[in-house]
Amino acid sequence: EAEVAQSPRYKITEKSQAVAFWCDPISGHATLYWYRQILGQGPELLVQFQDESVVDDSQLPKDRFSAERLKGVDSTLKIQPAELGDSAMYLCASSLGGAGTSSNEQFFGPGTRLTVL
Amino acid sequence: AQSVTQLGSHVSVSEGALVLLRCNYSSSVPPYLFWYVQYPNQGLQLLLKYTTGATLVKGINGFEAEFKKSETSFHLTKPSAHMSDAAEYFCAVSGSGFNKFYFGSGTKLNVKP
Repeated sequence: EAEVAQSPRYKITEKSQAVAFWCDPISGHATLYWYRQILGQGPELLVQFQDESVVDDSQLPKDRFSAERLKGVDSTLKIQPAELGDSAMYLCASSLGGAGTSSNEQFFGPGTRLTVL
Repeated sequence: AQSVTQLGSHVSVSEGALVLLRCNYSSSVPPYLFWYVQYPNQGLQLLLKYTTGATLVKGINGFEAEFKKSETSFHLTKPSAHMSDAAEYFCAVSGSGFNKFYFGSGTKLNVKP
């Protein structure tokens, strides 16, 4: 069964360091999402890609976060420098179509749990 | 604008009892509604979704939900809880086009033996 892959699963870093997360969506899925899930809360969308283009990055803290999906397939989310408040689960999801279409079911990866010390 | 409210951050039921997890939404456009389940340190798995058509939606693992437009609700139910249902459940809303998903804050379901 096709799955969304994410790595690493766990990351511990010190504040002010740079971290990067990788996501490989299900093959053929045009839309890719990065979410941040703080403990005890629901996922919050950070950035949404349609192929290689950013559709929504309104909640992405652009002073320290960046995301790219250069070839419209896999994606990297980077944080530089990391802050204590960035400790969270970072989830990647993909869907065949865009949000709100009949094919917009989002398939989630296992997530990367980030701890910033 | 869209938002989701899940009443009850923790729900505890006995094995075999009815499960009822509440979700109310706010949406300025016809909503698409979803329930996801999350097990510890894992991603989210879709339980069921409502887009159009029949308002009673059946999902995996015996769960179902009913879209009630007049009540702006999409409550999740299961007639008989199983120990394996213990997890966190998230309700989400989106609209048509490229509107993003809005998730509720989640409800942790505990199933007692």
